[in-house]
Amino acid sequence: DAGVIQSPRHEVTEMGQEVTLRCKPISGHDYLFWYRQTMMRGLELLIYFNNNVPIDDSGMPEDRFSAKMPNASFSTLKIQPSEPRDSAVYFCASSPGTRRNTIYFGEGSWLTVV
Amino acid sequence: DQQVKQNSPSLSVQEGRISILNCDYTNSMFDYFLWYKKYPAEGPTFLISISSIKDKNEDGRFTVFLNKSAKHLSLHIVPSQPGDSAVYFCAASEGAQKLVFGQGTRLTINP
Repeated sequence: DAGVIQSPRHEVTEMGQEVTLRCKPISGHDYLFWYRQTMMRGLELLIYFNNNVPIDDSGMPEDRFSAKMPNASFSTLKIQPSEPRDSAVYFCASSPGTRRNTIYFGEGSWLTVV
Repeated sequence: DQQVKQNSPSLSVQEGRISILNCDYTNSMFDYFLWYKKYPAEGPTFLISISSIKDKNEDGRFTVFLNKSAKHLSLHIVPSQPGDSAVYFCAASEGAQKLVFGQGTRLTINP
């Protein structure tokens, strides 16, 4: 079975540009999560969806960040405008919601804003 | 405010010895705890978990201990193997699918 698929794997962009990260969750999973990994804070939950509906976006750092899930097989995380402090690894993860709290991560999108 | 803390950024252990990774939490409502393992350029993968009704869970070489009064959990790996070298994340939740992770501890197993 295919795991969580993220794209792009690596992105280098200039400050002020729009960045869009994409995610395809595991088929049949009802929950989708966006996490950000930094050295200082580890893995931070940005937002998560249940059945395509945003449930908790309290971790989204600023209005520059937005996330959508138009259907069960696709989600985007957008940063506009991007800033150097947004440089991090962004992980998408999904969960079937049946086995308590076990979520499955993608390989991550490495974002560098210069 | 970090609700889950891993105070040791790194740990180095000799092959064959025991590795002990520690994690502290502040939210007394957390009722489920997990450890994830992450290799470079890969996403974290689930390793082992424990419910708050237990104080120990074992899976092969991996054992997780939970001390609710101290709000502390630990992961023991014995014997440690070179393939165990990775970053280990502690995570916790309070009844929902949402997981709160710590900062991670980089474990290096030396031959």
